[in-house]
Amino acid sequence: EADIYQTPRYLVIGTGKKITLECSQTMGHDKMYWYQQDPGMELHLIHYSYGVNSTEKGDLSSESTVSRIRTEHFPLTLESARPSHTSQYLCASSEFAGNTEAFFGQGTRLTVV
Amino acid sequence: SQQGEEDPQALSIQEGENATMNCSYKTSINNLQWYRQNSGRGLVHLILIRSNEREKHSGRLRVTLDTSKKSSSLLITASRAADTASYFCATDFIERPNFGNEKLTFGTGTRLTIIP
Repeated sequence: EADIYQTPRYLVIGTGKKITLECSQTMGHDKMYWYQQDPGMELHLIHYSYGVNSTEKGDLSSESTVSRIRTEHFPLTLESARPSHTSQYLCASSEFAGNTEAFFGQGTRLTVV
Repeated sequence: SQQGEEDPQALSIQEGENATMNCSYKTSINNLQWYRQNSGRGLVHLILIRSNEREKHSGRLRVTLDTSKKSSSLLITASRAADTASYFCATDFIERPNFGNEKLTFGTGTRLTIIP
């Protein structure tokens, strides 16, 4: 079982609220990712990081922001949640070296009402 | 976009039959990976095949890679009800070969249903 954790698992929040989705891994992985997935749909890469103080935007434009102050922690923040942000958010990590698998957390299902 | 596309989008077969899913991608890759997702939860890695490999086996899984056609297939033999899940292929860009998983991008997925 992968040592990567996301909290909360489920979140229902009102429009305009600021939220932070947590992602932590204990594997010492340098690379971390955030994906957005609507039910039954493909995964879209929204943010990734190569290591501490490194963050990059993914293929899908997102109003969220991320930070990487510690290797093990890669939180995602929405300053003002909107109903269009309703989705599942998946965090993953992998080693820096090439040709290695990614490990996923269980996801956070966000509903903005 | 680097994302792959799986075919078919959905597949239903009887338990014991073989299931084949295909993935096509657009540009050169470092490797191609297959993942499984149960009921919208996190993804689990199944198998990785490097760009210089043509076929790989892992238990009941067989993956092929044809870089000239930019396509891959995943075969699950002797399917079981527990194989019911969504299967995704993911490609790793080749732009910076030493970095790996730089932008691990996923395809659209195949929803597999095994009928007992």
